[in-house]
Amino acid sequence: GEDVEQSLFLSVREGDSSVINCTYTDSSSTYLYWYKQEPGAGLQLLTYIFSNMDMKQDQRLTVLLNKKDKHLSLRIADTQTGDSAIYFCAESYNYGQNFVFGPGTRLSVLP
Amino acid sequence: NAGVTQTPKFQVLKTGQSMTLQCAQDMNHEYMSWYRQDPGMGLRLIHYSVGAGITDQGEVPNGYNVSRSTTEDFPLRLLSAAPSQTSVYFCASSYGVSGRPNEKLFFGSGTQLSVL
Repeated sequence: GEDVEQSLFLSVREGDSSVINCTYTDSSSTYLYWYKQEPGAGLQLLTYIFSNMDMKQDQRLTVLLNKKDKHLSLRIADTQTGDSAIYFCAESYNYGQNFVFGPGTRLSVLP
Repeated sequence: NAGVTQTPKFQVLKTGQSMTLQCAQDMNHEYMSWYRQDPGMGLRLIHYSVGAGITDQGEVPNGYNVSRSTTEDFPLRLLSAAPSQTSVYFCASSYGVSGRPNEKLFFGSGTQLSVL
C-alpha cells in the first residue's frame, strides 16, 4: 500500500536553516503536504504542492518535489524557537479521497 | 470561526466500556475523517465519509463504528474499548467538491483517550 517515510528527529541551531525530508511511494499522488503539530494541538497545514510542480516558496518555507525519486523536502530558513514542533509529510491519492501521513519529524531548535 | 470541533478533549475508559467521540464542522465540508495518532506511527486513517449517508473504512477500522447522518457531524463510536485503543484521535474535514480532488484537511484539536 501507499507509504510515507520521514526521519523522526532533527535538531538545528536558531538562525540556521532546517531541511526535513520525506519519501513516498504512490506515483499517482495528487497533492503533497507539510503539516505542523505543536504540543497538545491538532495538525495545521503549513504548505502544499500540486504533484506537477517542482518547487513552491512561501516566505521562509521552500518545498522541493522530485517526482522521479518520490522525494519531498521542506526547508525552513532562519529557523526560530517557535518552529519547534512535529512536521508531518502527507500525500493524497485516489483523486483526493484518501490521505497518507508519515510518522512525523520532531524538530528541536536550540538557542 | 469554529472550524472543526472535537469533544471531549480527554477521556479515560475502562476495558469494555463504550463511548462516542464527537466531531462537528461548520464549514459545509463534504469530506470528514477520523485518524488515530500513535508515537512513531504518524496518523492512521480509521474511517472516512465523502458525504451525508456515505462512510467507508480506512486503514485501521476494527473496533470503531461511524455514521454520517448530517453534513456537519461525524461521530466515532467505540463499542467495547480495549487498551490497544489508547491513542490521540483527530477528526479532519475537507471541501471534497465533486469532480475536484480534496486539497487540504482541516483538523480538530484532538481527543486524548486512555483505556485502562
